[in-house]
Amino acid sequence: GAVVSQHPSRVICKSGTSVKIECRSLDFQATTMFWYRQFPKQSLMLMATSNEGSKATYEQGVEKDKFLINHASLTLSTLTVTSAHPEDSSFYICSARGWSYTDTQYFGPGTRLTVL
Amino acid sequence: GDSVTQMEGPVTLSEEAFLTINCTYTATGYPSLFWYVQYPGEGLQLLLKATKADDKGSNKGFEATYRKETTSFHLEKGSVQVSDSAVYFCALSPETSGSRLTFGEGTQLTVNP
Repeated sequence: GAVVSQHPSRVICKSGTSVKIECRSLDFQATTMFWYRQFPKQSLMLMATSNEGSKATYEQGVEKDKFLINHASLTLSTLTVTSAHPEDSSFYICSARGWSYTDTQYFGPGTRLTVL
Repeated sequence: GDSVTQMEGPVTLSEEAFLTINCTYTATGYPSLFWYVQYPGEGLQLLLKATKADDKGSNKGFEATYRKETTSFHLEKGSVQVSDSAVYFCALSPETSGSRLTFGEGTQLTVNP
């Protein structure tokens, strides 16, 4: 199957700093990428949907100014957590989908963010 | 709104036991239904899917049948292995919203030798 990578896999930062997480589709063009947040022993919550070359669509309750999403190419999307606080500590997972909305979503391995 | 409910875990079984993980959903129309698996330290992998009523998805010995009348998509496997130990997520994608996924809570499965 298709491969999606995330970088970094783990990051620890101080409160108030910003952290950028990359999501790459390695062997296919991803017109749409999704960003999820997963709390310990809980399910994945969709944060936003991004289409290449356009602004991301955020889910209700997700602060777009805090979680900046950029999808500048067909193989790369980034999530920047700005002015991070301890409550932003979580497991962030991206997924990518090809041209058709019926295409399967392929998930990255996730990024563990810890804000001190 | 749309929602997915999975049976509470964790589930612990002995090798070669029969597995059932229940999943029910609430959605309008005819959503697509999925089971994803997350092995320790890894991302989610699509295990199987069904896109219309009475479809049966199957992969690696796992099966699930799309039951519209009971709004269910229960996951089954006849004989589990230690390597099946993982977290299993049931999910749906509404027919009118492209491929946005709504996930259930996840069920931790541990298979002992």
